[in-house]
Amino acid sequence: QSALTQPPSASGSPGQSVTISCTGTSSDIGGYNYVSWYQQHPGEAPKLIIYEVIKRPSGVPDRFSGSKSGNTASLTVSGLQAADEADYYCGSYATSNDFIFGGGTKLTVL
Amino acid sequence: EVQLVESGGGLVQPGRSLRLSCAASRFKFDDYAMHWVRQAPGKGLEWVAGISWNGLPLGYADSVKGRFTISRDNAKKSLFLQMSSLRPDDTALYYCAKAEDTFGWTSFDSWGQGTLVSVS
Repeated sequence: QSALTQPPSASGSPGQSVTISCTGTSSDIGGYNYVSWYQQHPGEAPKLIIYEVIKRPSGVPDRFSGSKSGNTASLTVSGLQAADEADYYCGSYATSNDFIFGGGTKLTVL
Repeated sequence: EVQLVESGGGLVQPGRSLRLSCAASRFKFDDYAMHWVRQAPGKGLEWVAGISWNGLPLGYADSVKGRFTISRDNAKKSLFLQMSSLRPDDTALYYCAKAEDTFGWTSFDSWGQGTLVSVS
């Protein structure tokens, strides 16, 4: 299975919204509602921020939202804050008991 | 709060073996599938292997199939990864991660801090 496709970088000013895309195939994103998103700050472990496409774990601000259309999932961060500057990875369950991640997107808050 | 603590990493020569461990606490370990995810220096995340709550392997990444074996000991609340025939491209920070639900594949809701494996 090839990695899911994410843009290498994204940016926005404080208070703005930014959307990060994650493109796969019908064997992963398009075939299951098991898309998740992870935030990783430098030197830290990844943190789950979205699961099952649209759900937020307890404690994750509602500024983070997820969606999916066909083989592409998206993460939207609204009301950008300096603390949102991090790497973001999408992930999805894939056919034949596999799990694949995207290559990651570095979000810069200008 | 869930706690996952990995250990066992280190510097190893190509072709040799290494066994990673992950000690779990503060949740009912035997209710959840568990996974290993790795991250090469400066690179992205790569899923390595997963195991069901009752010890059945869920699967392995093609890159490690036949070389790595995942296992668990529910009585000791521990997860393991036996790595053999190690290659330089196995060099990475290895994370232990807890599955979010009983299906075991939807997402990983808790992560350890990782243990570094260097193959050289």
